[in-house]
Amino acid sequence: GNSVTQMEGPVTLSEEAFLTINCTYTATGYPSLFWYVQYPGEGLQLLLKATKADDKGSNKGFEATYRKETTSFHLEKGSVQVSDSAVYFCAHMNYGGSQGNLIFGKGTKLSVKP
Amino acid sequence: KAGVTQTPRYLIKTRGQQVTLSCSPISGHRSVSWYQQTPGQGLQFLFEYFSETQRNKGNFPGRFSGRQFSNSRSEMNVSTLELGDSALYLCASSLEGDEVYNEQFFGPGTRLTVL
Repeated sequence: GNSVTQMEGPVTLSEEAFLTINCTYTATGYPSLFWYVQYPGEGLQLLLKATKADDKGSNKGFEATYRKETTSFHLEKGSVQVSDSAVYFCAHMNYGGSQGNLIFGKGTKLSVKP
Repeated sequence: KAGVTQTPRYLIKTRGQQVTLSCSPISGHRSVSWYQQTPGQGLQFLFEYFSETQRNKGNFPGRFSGRQFSNSRSEMNVSTLELGDSALYLCASSLEGDEVYNEQFFGPGTRLTVL
């Protein structure tokens, strides 16, 4: 069935360190892929997205590339800040299906220390 | 433009009771989706409404229901509450378009605690 697997956290980094959060997916067809971020006490915010193979989504220094051959969408950032501390969710949705059916990974909690 | 609003933000109920949560989408958005977030199961899709019709449903028991009004506002109801229903319930709204994914905008959620 459709699913998303992302690396378990928590991930603890020092400020300015390099970040990678791995995400792989199982889906039928050619899903759109997303990274959402959840700050403490808040709802989800879309961080970036990619809608087709080899697309690179980017926002606020974060990047992820849609790799169809490896069914992956790993999140990276070259230099993290304390303000990046949050929970990050990888998700996918299939085109042509319901607009409402996002499938999420379990989330990865990131803590960045000064 | 105001974001997605959810009321109430926090709710405490006891087992066996029922509860109704409300979601007001962004103005102009016609699709509303509901998700349940728990530490054990993560984020799970409940259902999605568009033009007052349930268009898609996740794998939850019939105790979970919802509806959408003509102004796109949506409510979800949980009857005969169980301890395991304690969760953060998130609502998301989006525009409707053909061939283009429309971003889902999430509200802050309603934190339901069942005692």
